[in-house]
Amino acid sequence: DTGVSQNPRHKITKRGQNVTFRCDPISEHNRLYWYRQTLGQGPEFLTYFQNEAQLEKSRLLSDRFSAERPKGSFSTLEIQRTEQGDSAMYLCASSPPWFEVKYTGELFFGEGSRLTVL
Amino acid sequence: GQQLNQSPQSMFIQEGEDVSMNCTSSSIFNTWLWYKQDPGEGPVLLIALYKAGELTSNGRLTAQFGITRKDSFLNISASIPSDVGIYFCADTGGSEKLVFGKGTKLTVNP
Repeated sequence: DTGVSQNPRHKITKRGQNVTFRCDPISEHNRLYWYRQTLGQGPEFLTYFQNEAQLEKSRLLSDRFSAERPKGSFSTLEIQRTEQGDSAMYLCASSPPWFEVKYTGELFFGEGSRLTVL
Repeated sequence: GQQLNQSPQSMFIQEGEDVSMNCTSSSIFNTWLWYKQDPGEGPVLLIALYKAGELTSNGRLTAQFGITRKDSFLNISASIPSDVGIYFCADTGGSEKLVFGKGTKLTVNP
Protein backbone atom coordinates (compact mmCIF):
# COMPACT_ATOMS: atom_id res chain seq x y z
CA ASP A 1 0.00 0.00 0.00
CA THR A 2 1.60 3.26 -1.09
CA GLY A 3 -0.96 5.65 0.42
CA VAL A 4 -0.62 7.87 3.49
CA SER A 5 -0.24 5.76 6.62
CA GLN A 6 -1.12 6.88 10.13
CA ASN A 7 -0.71 5.15 13.45
CA PRO A 8 -2.04 4.40 15.87
CA ARG A 9 -5.54 4.37 14.41
CA HIS A 10 -7.09 4.71 17.83
CA LYS A 11 -5.69 6.01 21.08
CA ILE A 12 -7.49 6.24 24.41
CA THR A 13 -5.67 8.13 27.11
CA LYS A 14 -6.29 9.75 30.44
CA ARG A 15 -6.32 13.50 30.83
CA GLY A 16 -2.85 14.84 31.46
CA GLN A 17 -0.99 12.12 29.57
CA ASN A 18 1.14 12.76 26.50
CA VAL A 19 0.34 11.15 23.16
CA THR A 20 2.21 10.96 19.86
CA PHE A 21 0.86 10.21 16.39
CA ARG A 22 2.93 9.24 13.40
CA CYS A 23 2.28 9.91 9.72
CA ASP A 24 4.10 8.32 6.79
CA PRO A 25 3.29 10.28 3.61
CA ILE A 26 3.37 9.12 0.04
CA SER A 27 7.09 8.80 -0.63
CA GLU A 28 7.43 11.27 -3.49
CA HIS A 29 5.34 13.98 -1.79
CA ASN A 30 7.31 16.83 -0.23
CA ARG A 31 4.35 18.47 1.51
CA LEU A 32 2.76 17.09 4.66
CA TYR A 33 -0.28 18.49 6.48
CA TRP A 34 -1.94 17.85 9.83
CA TYR A 35 -5.65 18.49 10.27
CA ARG A 36 -7.99 17.95 13.20
CA GLN A 37 -11.60 16.85 12.77
CA THR A 38 -14.25 16.82 15.48
CA LEU A 39 -17.73 15.34 15.20
CA GLY A 40 -19.93 17.24 12.79
CA GLN A 41 -17.11 19.45 11.55
CA GLY A 42 -14.89 19.50 8.53
CA PRO A 43 -11.15 19.02 8.84
CA GLU A 44 -9.46 22.03 10.45
CA PHE A 45 -5.92 22.94 9.45
CA LEU A 46 -3.25 22.61 12.13
CA THR A 47 0.12 22.84 10.40
CA TYR A 48 2.09 21.89 7.32
CA PHE A 49 5.63 21.05 6.26
CA GLN A 50 7.53 21.40 3.06
CA ASN A 51 10.26 18.82 3.35
CA GLU A 52 11.54 19.25 6.91
CA ALA A 53 10.54 22.91 7.24
CA GLN A 54 7.37 23.73 9.15
CA LEU A 55 5.92 26.60 7.11
CA GLU A 56 2.69 27.46 8.89
CA LYS A 57 0.95 26.76 12.17
CA SER A 58 -2.69 27.44 12.97
CA ARG A 59 -3.81 29.27 16.08
CA LEU A 60 -5.49 25.95 16.95
CA LEU A 61 -2.02 24.54 17.58
CA SER A 62 -1.51 25.51 21.20
CA ASP A 63 1.86 25.26 22.91
CA ARG A 64 0.91 21.77 24.10
CA PHE A 65 1.06 20.60 20.48
CA SER A 66 4.28 20.05 18.59
CA ALA A 67 4.83 18.61 15.14
CA GLU A 68 8.08 17.53 13.57
CA ARG A 69 9.30 16.15 10.29
CA PRO A 70 12.99 15.72 11.02
CA LYS A 71 14.18 14.15 7.78
CA GLY A 72 11.48 15.39 5.47
CA SER A 73 9.83 11.99 5.38
CA PHE A 74 7.56 10.83 8.21
CA SER A 75 6.07 13.28 10.70
CA THR A 76 5.01 13.11 14.32
CA LEU A 77 2.36 15.11 16.15
CA GLU A 78 2.74 15.17 19.91
CA ILE A 79 0.14 16.44 22.35
CA GLN A 80 1.36 17.08 25.88
CA ARG A 81 -0.84 17.15 28.97
CA THR A 82 -3.90 16.09 27.01
CA GLU A 83 -7.27 17.65 27.77
CA GLN A 84 -10.73 16.30 27.04
CA GLY A 85 -11.13 18.98 24.36
CA ASP A 86 -8.28 17.36 22.45
CA SER A 87 -10.51 14.38 21.65
CA ALA A 88 -10.77 14.34 17.87
CA MET A 89 -9.66 12.63 14.69
CA TYR A 90 -6.18 13.77 13.66
CA LEU A 91 -5.76 13.54 9.90
CA CYS A 92 -2.51 13.64 8.00
CA ALA A 93 -2.31 14.47 4.31
CA SER A 94 0.49 14.74 1.81
CA SER A 95 0.84 16.35 -1.58
CA PRO A 96 3.32 17.10 -4.32
CA PRO A 97 4.83 20.62 -4.44
CA TRP A 98 2.17 23.32 -4.26
CA PHE A 99 2.76 24.55 -7.79
CA GLU A 100 1.33 21.19 -8.86
CA VAL A 101 -1.41 21.00 -6.19
CA LYS A 102 -2.83 24.46 -6.85
CA TYR A 103 -3.98 23.19 -10.20
CA THR A 104 -5.70 20.12 -8.75
CA GLY A 105 -6.46 20.94 -5.12
CA GLU A 106 -5.72 17.37 -4.24
CA LEU A 107 -4.38 16.42 -0.86
CA PHE A 108 -4.01 12.71 -0.16
CA PHE A 109 -5.34 11.90 3.29
CA GLY A 110 -4.57 9.03 5.60
CA GLU A 111 -7.25 7.18 7.54
CA GLY A 112 -6.67 9.30 10.61
CA SER A 113 -5.78 8.70 14.25
CA ARG A 114 -8.73 8.94 16.60
CA LEU A 115 -7.90 10.29 20.04
CA THR A 116 -10.18 9.88 23.05
CA VAL A 117 -9.19 11.66 26.23
CA LEU A 118 -10.97 10.39 29.35
CA GLY B 1 -10.91 34.22 7.58
CA GLN B 2 -13.04 32.80 4.86
CA GLN B 3 -16.12 30.80 5.75
CA LEU B 4 -17.67 28.01 3.77
CA ASN B 5 -21.33 27.30 4.42
CA GLN B 6 -22.68 23.96 3.29
CA SER B 7 -26.31 22.96 3.05
CA PRO B 8 -28.07 20.88 3.90
CA GLN B 9 -26.23 19.58 6.95
CA SER B 10 -27.68 16.12 6.38
CA MET B 11 -29.82 14.27 3.87
CA PHE B 12 -31.75 11.02 4.06
CA ILE B 13 -32.75 9.65 0.67
CA GLN B 14 -33.90 6.47 -1.00
CA GLU B 15 -31.63 4.55 -3.31
CA GLY B 16 -32.12 5.74 -6.87
CA GLU B 17 -32.97 9.33 -5.98
CA ASP B 18 -30.99 12.31 -7.16
CA VAL B 19 -29.18 14.49 -4.63
CA SER B 20 -28.20 18.14 -4.67
CA MET B 21 -26.09 19.99 -2.16
CA ASN B 22 -24.36 23.34 -2.20
CA CYS B 23 -21.69 25.47 -0.71
CA THR B 24 -21.48 29.24 -0.37
CA SER B 25 -18.67 31.52 0.59
CA SER B 26 -18.39 34.95 2.11
CA SER B 27 -15.62 35.77 -0.35
CA ILE B 28 -14.79 35.19 -3.98
CA PHE B 29 -13.14 31.88 -4.77
CA ASN B 30 -10.72 30.90 -7.50
CA THR B 31 -11.30 27.18 -7.08
CA TRP B 32 -14.02 24.93 -5.71
CA LEU B 33 -13.13 21.47 -4.55
CA TRP B 34 -15.49 18.69 -3.56
CA TYR B 35 -14.25 15.91 -1.29
CA LYS B 36 -16.01 12.83 0.08
CA GLN B 37 -15.26 11.16 3.38
CA ASP B 38 -16.37 7.58 3.89
CA PRO B 39 -16.95 6.43 7.48
CA GLY B 40 -13.62 5.77 9.19
CA GLU B 41 -11.59 7.12 6.28
CA GLY B 42 -9.89 10.33 5.26
CA PRO B 43 -11.44 12.66 2.64
CA VAL B 44 -10.91 11.91 -1.06
CA LEU B 45 -11.09 14.46 -3.89
CA LEU B 46 -14.11 13.99 -6.17
CA ILE B 47 -14.18 17.04 -8.42
CA ALA B 48 -12.18 20.25 -8.80
CA LEU B 49 -13.51 23.44 -10.46
CA TYR B 50 -11.32 26.32 -11.59
CA LYS B 51 -13.43 28.79 -13.58
CA ALA B 52 -16.67 30.64 -12.93
CA GLY B 53 -19.51 28.87 -14.70
CA GLU B 54 -17.52 25.67 -15.13
CA LEU B 55 -19.59 22.48 -15.10
CA THR B 56 -17.69 19.25 -14.52
CA SER B 57 -18.84 15.65 -14.29
CA ASN B 58 -17.26 12.57 -12.74
CA GLY B 59 -19.50 9.58 -13.39
CA ARG B 60 -22.82 10.18 -11.63
CA LEU B 61 -21.45 13.33 -9.99
CA THR B 62 -21.77 16.80 -11.48
CA ALA B 63 -20.48 20.01 -9.95
CA GLN B 64 -20.68 23.63 -11.02
CA PHE B 65 -18.69 26.73 -10.14
CA GLY B 66 -21.17 29.57 -9.63
CA ILE B 67 -21.03 32.65 -11.84
CA THR B 68 -20.64 34.94 -8.83
CA ARG B 69 -17.64 32.83 -7.74
CA LYS B 70 -19.17 32.62 -4.28
CA ASP B 71 -21.03 29.34 -4.60
CA SER B 72 -20.92 25.84 -5.99
CA PHE B 73 -23.26 22.88 -6.11
CA LEU B 74 -22.74 19.14 -6.29
CA ASN B 75 -25.33 16.80 -7.76
CA ILE B 76 -25.40 13.03 -7.49
CA SER B 77 -27.71 11.19 -9.85
CA ALA B 78 -29.34 7.81 -9.21
CA SER B 79 -27.84 7.41 -5.74
CA ILE B 80 -26.56 4.04 -4.56
CA PRO B 81 -25.73 2.78 -1.05
CA SER B 82 -21.99 3.42 -1.48
CA ASP B 83 -22.71 7.14 -1.91
CA VAL B 84 -23.15 7.25 1.87
CA GLY B 85 -20.65 9.54 3.52
CA ILE B 86 -19.89 13.18 4.22
CA TYR B 87 -19.35 15.56 1.33
CA PHE B 88 -17.13 18.58 1.88
CA CYS B 89 -16.48 21.64 -0.21
CA ALA B 90 -13.04 23.15 0.13
CA ASP B 91 -10.83 25.89 -1.19
CA THR B 92 -7.32 27.18 -0.74
CA GLY B 93 -8.46 30.70 0.11
CA GLY B 94 -5.42 31.98 -1.71
CA SER B 95 -3.12 30.22 0.76
CA GLU B 96 -1.18 26.99 0.47
CA LYS B 97 -3.57 24.86 2.46
CA LEU B 98 -7.16 23.71 2.09
CA VAL B 99 -10.05 25.15 4.12
CA PHE B 100 -13.08 22.86 4.43
CA GLY B 101 -16.78 23.43 5.02
CA LYS B 102 -18.63 21.54 7.74
CA GLY B 103 -19.95 18.97 5.33
CA THR B 104 -23.22 17.46 4.16
CA LYS B 105 -23.87 14.00 5.59
CA LEU B 106 -25.65 11.72 3.12
CA THR B 107 -27.57 8.61 4.12
CA VAL B 108 -28.97 6.37 1.40
CA ASN B 109 -31.67 3.89 2.32
CA PRO B 110 -31.71 0.74 0.17
